[in-house]
Amino acid sequence: DAGITQSPRYKITETGRQVTLMCHQTWSHSYMFWYRQDLGHGLRLIYYSAAADITDKGEVPDGYVVSRSKTENFPLTLESATRSQTSVYFCAVKGQTNTGELFFGEGSRLTVL
Amino acid sequence: GIQVEQSPPDLILQEGANSTLRCNFSDSVNNLQWFHQNPWGQLINLFYIPSGTKQNGRLSATTVATERYSLLYISSSQTTDSGVYFCAVKENTNAGKSTFGDGTTLTVKP
Repeated sequence: DAGITQSPRYKITETGRQVTLMCHQTWSHSYMFWYRQDLGHGLRLIYYSAAADITDKGEVPDGYVVSRSKTENFPLTLESATRSQTSVYFCAVKGQTNTGELFFGEGSRLTVL
Repeated sequence: GIQVEQSPPDLILQEGANSTLRCNFSDSVNNLQWFHQNPWGQLINLFYIPSGTKQNGRLSATTVATERYSLLYISSSQTTDSGVYFCAVKENTNAGKSTFGDGTTLTVKP
């Protein structure tokens, strides 16, 4: 969706390096999410945020750090990248109602060598 | 947490055929969505359907919340329908998180 921008779209890095993936939304909606998608699998939740300065772990949080100082931005940091973190990362934003729809960014493909 | 199972895992169709994809979930939900992931990796919202039936062109979806399943119907399939179809559910007890199934990979042959 045009309201969600992920950057970079493609990244190659080496084991042990720090990498930050950025997610930006233009709507100022409360909930934002980071998912990872590995080959042949569905999406697994890494972290999510209910509002600025409120974050919580998802299903697979190990090795990742998030922050949310501004409502519009939700960066995901791999502090010391590992090969197992090679994946496609999707940011999502939830509509404003409690049962609101999820909208996804275009994804960031990360390769860790 | 809630379990989401999609079937079949893979489906191959001839162009023009119809198909039904299923999503079973293990607990009460207040949100269910169907997504199509195209060959370029984009996740496209198809339906937001916590209950009832909706139709959009050749696609329709039905969710029977009391029986904990949802069906996605694709009629007169086209090669552009190829890709992976995911359902995602949000539990009644959880304020924000959605859980995805592993998807159904659809290949439509010309």
